[in-house]
Amino acid sequence: QVVQSGAEMKKPGASVKVSCKASGYTFTRSGVNWVRQAPGQGLEWMGWISGYSGDTNYAQKFQGRVTMTTDTSTTIAYMELRSLRSDDTAVYFCAADFYGSSGNLEHWGQGTLVTVSS
Amino acid sequence: DIQMTQSPSSLSASVGDRVTITCRASQSISNYLNWYQQKPGKAPKFLIYAASSLQSGVPSRFSGSGSGTDFTLTISSLQPDDFATYYCQQNYITPYSFGQGTNLEIK
Repeated sequence: QVVQSGAEMKKPGASVKVSCKASGYTFTRSGVNWVRQAPGQGLEWMGWISGYSGDTNYAQKFQGRVTMTTDTSTTIAYMELRSLRSDDTAVYFCAADFYGSSGNLEHWGQGTLVTVSS
Repeated sequence: DIQMTQSPSSLSASVGDRVTITCRASQSISNYLNWYQQKPGKAPKFLIYAASSLQSGVPSRFSGSGSGTDFTLTISSLQPDDFATYYCQQNYITPYSFGQGTNLEIK
């Protein structure tokens, strides 16, 4: 099971940190991908973090603005996005890759709506 | 980056119909192609991996095929629960990328 934190409302320029609590599988053998979906739009991959090593792989579009981390003691993954803009308004999903870095987004959180508005 | 293009963007069909959705990659991705189903207000659901392997628990009316640049998702006999948006995704190389989605509607 993967459970995300609740909806957030932020002002332009602020930061948001979304959490993703994993249970029922071996977190340190898995990876966590983050994907976002703007209102009425498709899916956009943001990046991945290893539950074992903490290694990350970010999409170029988000480099410098995103940080993904994990806490293996609590099996929680985090995604922080900084310098928010109105076009960052989206539902943010975490998705578990049970084999680490296969790119198979096997189990998804319920999504976290982040609204950026002044 | 690899671009994924789905067709059609939307499709109207009836219960019991056979439907096919296509997905084309901008370069060869071997069989590193996944399919997802998403219903309004919900997270995507993982359906098919490695182009043709059915995820556990997914009904056998779903099937996938293809390799290289051209792929298809087929639903052999549409059921009411199948009306949703479908996305393909390449996991050949990062950044992973998705098609724009195919909205499957009831006729």
